[in-house]
Amino acid sequence: DAGITQSPRYKITETGRQVTLMCHQTWSHSYMFWYRQDLGHGLRLIYYSAAADITDKGEVPDGYVVSRSKTENFPLTLESATRSQTSVYFCASSTDRPLNTEAFFGQGTRLTVV
Amino acid sequence: AQSVTQLGSHVSVSEGALVLLRCNYSSSVPPYLFWYVQYPNQGLQLLLKYTTGATLVKGINGFEAEFKKSETSFHLTKPSAHMSDAAEYFCAVSGRSGGGADGLTFGKGTHLIIQP
Repeated sequence: DAGITQSPRYKITETGRQVTLMCHQTWSHSYMFWYRQDLGHGLRLIYYSAAADITDKGEVPDGYVVSRSKTENFPLTLESATRSQTSVYFCASSTDRPLNTEAFFGQGTRLTVV
Repeated sequence: AQSVTQLGSHVSVSEGALVLLRCNYSSSVPPYLFWYVQYPNQGLQLLLKYTTGATLVKGINGFEAEFKKSETSFHLTKPSAHMSDAAEYFCAVSGRSGGGADGLTFGKGTHLIIQP
């Protein structure tokens, strides 16, 4: 399917476990982003990537790791999950830094850490 | 750092009434401004954006927004609300976020409720 897809849609994990959220886009967009959405905070940028093998921190990167070996994939890993990382995670992509271009969002992954 | 403030976490209007969702921003450089809509259990979808040129921007589903530099505002309006407009609305500014990264900085969102 064309577009941007996230998997899984829902995930429950235990504190301390490693979990990876997947993001795949079919447009060959250069830029990809990970946001988390929490009540009262809106969306906050975790990490972003300008191209394959180029990643950089966003506003709230602590506790997360990303990689981008291929343009189309941008997985987000929680190395040791904590309850504070319970959130809805959105992946997005755009053709350029979203200075004036649209960012396209996946449907989100709802992660619960128990 | 840039920031966005959305006034009112919840806005309730009657079907057929005017919708007004408020957004103010702060930016040290000319901003690019966006409104996104999020329907339940879905990702965000672009409603409209302001980059340069005309300050009144028209978007999808009958929404429009006006960029007012003097007021640092980018309020979203729709003349007549429809039940299908019930959703979460996010205002965003592009550029460097709080962490110094390239990405959209979002407001906290406004939940629009449509009363029948």
